[in-house]
Amino acid sequence: NAGVTQTPKFQVLKTGQSMTLQCAQDMNHNSMYWYRQDPGMGLRLIYYSASEGTTDKGEVPNGYNVSRLNKREFSLRLESAAPSQTSVYFCALGANTGELFFGEGSRLTVL
Amino acid sequence: AQTVTQSQPEMSVQEAETVTLSCTYDTSENNYYLFWYKQPPSRQMILVIRQEAYKQQNATENRFSVNFQKAAKSFSLKISDSQLGDTAMYFCAFKQFPFNAGGTSYGKLTFGQGTILTVHP
Repeated sequence: NAGVTQTPKFQVLKTGQSMTLQCAQDMNHNSMYWYRQDPGMGLRLIYYSASEGTTDKGEVPNGYNVSRLNKREFSLRLESAAPSQTSVYFCALGANTGELFFGEGSRLTVL
Repeated sequence: AQTVTQSQPEMSVQEAETVTLSCTYDTSENNYYLFWYKQPPSRQMILVIRQEAYKQQNATENRFSVNFQKAAKSFSLKISDSQLGDTAMYFCAFKQFPFNAGGTSYGKLTFGQGTILTVHP
């Protein structure tokens, strides 16, 4: 979805390293979300932001932090990466009609 | 908490045939949304169809239709005239009302585990 841009698309980290996944939108939606996708478990919500300046924990927040400094950007930070955080990460926007618009995903491997 | 269950890890169908993917959910709420998303090998999440719980009529989008059974908490997806491009992982998802004070939905989606659909030529 061209309205949601995630960077980087791929990343390999060593255990203990830190990194930030960036998400930017050009669709002017208030709510933004970070999900992780693991085989056999569907997508699970890490954190979400109902509006600029607010963030809340989702289902699996441990080991992550987020930042929503403005309406357009919502970043996800791993302070000390662990192999259990190897996953595909999706940023999404909440539409007024109920559904989510997703970015293309970021594949993260922690060795 | 709401839960969504897709009991079919994998399904296969011949091209031009019809296939039905199952989804059940658990909620005590009366107002909610249900969705089916498609994830092809490109990894992109694509909305296939949506259903509002207060609507009795089943949603339809071209070859895709749902069988929404509110009392049974069941939400199956039927794909007619299957095409090779329908090969993908399909996710059922649930979203609870209400909307926030500004009238903009901020609700979270809860996803099922997914069903891998393969369409054979």
